[in-house]
Amino acid sequence: DQQVKQNSPSLSVQEGRISILNCDYTNSMFDYFLWYKKYPAEGPTFLISISSIKDKNEDGRFTVFLNKSAKHLSLHIVPSQPGDSAVYFCAASVGGGSQGNLIFGKGTKLSVKP
Amino acid sequence: EAGVAQSPRYKIIEKRQSVAFWCNPISGHATLYWYQQILGQGPKLLIQFQNNGVVDDSQLPKDRFSAERLKGVDSTLKIQPAKLEDSAVYLCASSFYALEETQYFGPGTRLLVL
Repeated sequence: DQQVKQNSPSLSVQEGRISILNCDYTNSMFDYFLWYKKYPAEGPTFLISISSIKDKNEDGRFTVFLNKSAKHLSLHIVPSQPGDSAVYFCAASVGGGSQGNLIFGKGTKLSVKP
Repeated sequence: EAGVAQSPRYKIIEKRQSVAFWCNPISGHATLYWYQQILGQGPKLLIQFQNNGVVDDSQLPKDRFSAERLKGVDSTLKIQPAKLEDSAVYLCASSFYALEETQYFGPGTRLLVL
């Protein structure tokens, strides 16, 4: 039973446009959410996170939105750049990453075309 | 600052053989994690160490997998005997304890069991 779901395996956008990656979760105990980015042959790298007490967190071109009632979060990348092409994983935990397991989704492969 | 180091990067073995992976976390990071990432899936936590003690090994197949972190720094993960379904990327991650949510991942070891 998948607790964190990324229903779109892939997404293709044009350079300069907005990329929106979606993630749904089922466990209402999750209180911390993260996005990781992964290039081929490398480990995932942390991108941005959000606590359940917030509904939005922004870091440069990246913004994560959290809708607790819908158990849904999304990552917005504006403007998208070719270097953003990677696999993006949504992850969730109870009690923060160090105190709780990170539960990952299956990932969404983003392709940004020049 | 040096990142999480893992070796080997690639390993090919036959089923029923043994294999070991090594991880050296970021200096000062008390928490160390081993994840298994099967192709097309997100990383799944196998075991979490806090210094040299095990915090969570509930998803570690203990009949064939073992892990240790004897001096609270580097760690080894062993599979004995390996099965075909163990083919995956094994990722090591570390984080600084106490309210640090971000886990920093190494490049992973890609294991192929034939």
